[in-house]
Amino acid sequence: AQSVTQPDIHITVSEGASLELRCNYSYGATPYLFWYVQSPGQGLQLLLKYFSGDTLVQGIKGFEAEFKRSQSSFNLRKPSVHWSDAAEYFCAVGEGEMRFGAGTRLTVKP
Amino acid sequence: DVKVTQSSRYLVKRTGEKVFLECVQDMDHENMFWYRQDPGLGLRLIYFSYDVKMKEKGDIPEGYSVSREKKERFSLILESASTNQTSMYLCASSLWFENTEAFFGQGTRLTVV
Repeated sequence: AQSVTQPDIHITVSEGASLELRCNYSYGATPYLFWYVQSPGQGLQLLLKYFSGDTLVQGIKGFEAEFKRSQSSFNLRKPSVHWSDAAEYFCAVGEGEMRFGAGTRLTVKP
Repeated sequence: DVKVTQSSRYLVKRTGEKVFLECVQDMDHENMFWYRQDPGLGLRLIYFSYDVKMKEKGDIPEGYSVSREKKERFSLILESASTNQTSMYLCASSLWFENTEAFFGQGTRLTVV
């Protein structure tokens, strides 16, 4: 069965600092992987997705993620965090129906 | 832009009531999904549908049913609402083939009292 683990429930970073959010997945075949962001009171917005090809994928808002098959990971990164990045981030895996992780809440300190 | 519209942002219902959550998408997507979102648990899949009149159970279907009479509309039904169904409910849709993402509605926050 497909599943996703996001080990960090809550992360706090200073504005301008780099960010890495961790995601590990369990899937029997080549996974389709996604990162979504949910700002307070909003729906989920897709940040980026991986289906095949280059293992480093670029997304919106300056985010990127790297697929590492050997580690079953798809970590999200951003070189310099902005206060507006404060939100909850969800990693997901699946073809068609997706399974989501529990989410990581990001707080940005001024 | 794809638009997924959920009929209510907030609902308050009484225990034992039959509750309908409605979702409409305007992009002719074949796939539609219902998730519930709870703090610390993320999104959990309740039911999904790949075509009109088709439905498949997700990971937590107990206490719920769904209806898809038209391609653009996917309804979630709580047959007899209970307090443990108080949650945020998210509807999503996607195209039928595999390499595509899901688009989400704004969510319905349901409180069962």
